[in-house]
Amino acid sequence: AQSVTQLGSHVSVSEGALVLLRCNYSSSVPPYLFWYVQYPNQGLQLLLKYTTGATLVKGINGFEAEFKKSETSFHLTKPSAHMSDAAEYFCAVSTNFNKFYFGSGTKLNVKP
Amino acid sequence: DAGVIQSPRHEVTEMGQEVTLRCKLISGHNSLFWYRQTMMRGLELLIYFNNNVPIDDSGMPEDRFSAKMPNASFSTLKIQPSEPRDSAVYFCASIIGRTNTGELFFGEGSRLTVL
Repeated sequence: AQSVTQLGSHVSVSEGALVLLRCNYSSSVPPYLFWYVQYPNQGLQLLLKYTTGATLVKGINGFEAEFKKSETSFHLTKPSAHMSDAAEYFCAVSTNFNKFYFGSGTKLNVKP
Repeated sequence: DAGVIQSPRHEVTEMGQEVTLRCKLISGHNSLFWYRQTMMRGLELLIYFNNNVPIDDSGMPEDRFSAKMPNASFSTLKIQPSEPRDSAVYFCASIIGRTNTGELFFGEGSRLTVL
């Protein structure tokens, strides 16, 4: 079975500061890992994904995440937060693209 | 190409009424997922279809919920009778078939309020 744990339901950073959103997963087989972003009153959009190959993956809007198998983690980072990054972020795991398990989400607040 | 289209975007109804939510997939996508989002429970997978066939409906809360996919591009989620605890945002999402990259494409959701 697969599951995802996102540490911190709310994260607040200042504009220009580092963004770090944590995600740990549980999977009995090699996982595919995803980060999605949800802006208010919208559906989720893919930020980035890890399927195979390089463990450091880059996504849209300057975000990146690193797959660390030994730590079962897939934390999302951005060097410098922008006001427009304020949204809710979801980590997800899948093993066959047929079923996706989402974390509970982390709301990112960016202070001016 | 148009994205996943859901209707209605907002629905307010009274307890006991039937609710039908609709979803139009992206052309060429062959898997469809229905999710429910609430503050308390987050994103829950209700059911998913592959090539119009329901594969896993273990997330459907109870018999009041039913979902159909009559053709490759359209699906409905019905709640009959509706209850206040069904109030949530319901999302459908689709995924491409033959060149599957693992990306789920979400609609903008249907916000349901049951009074």
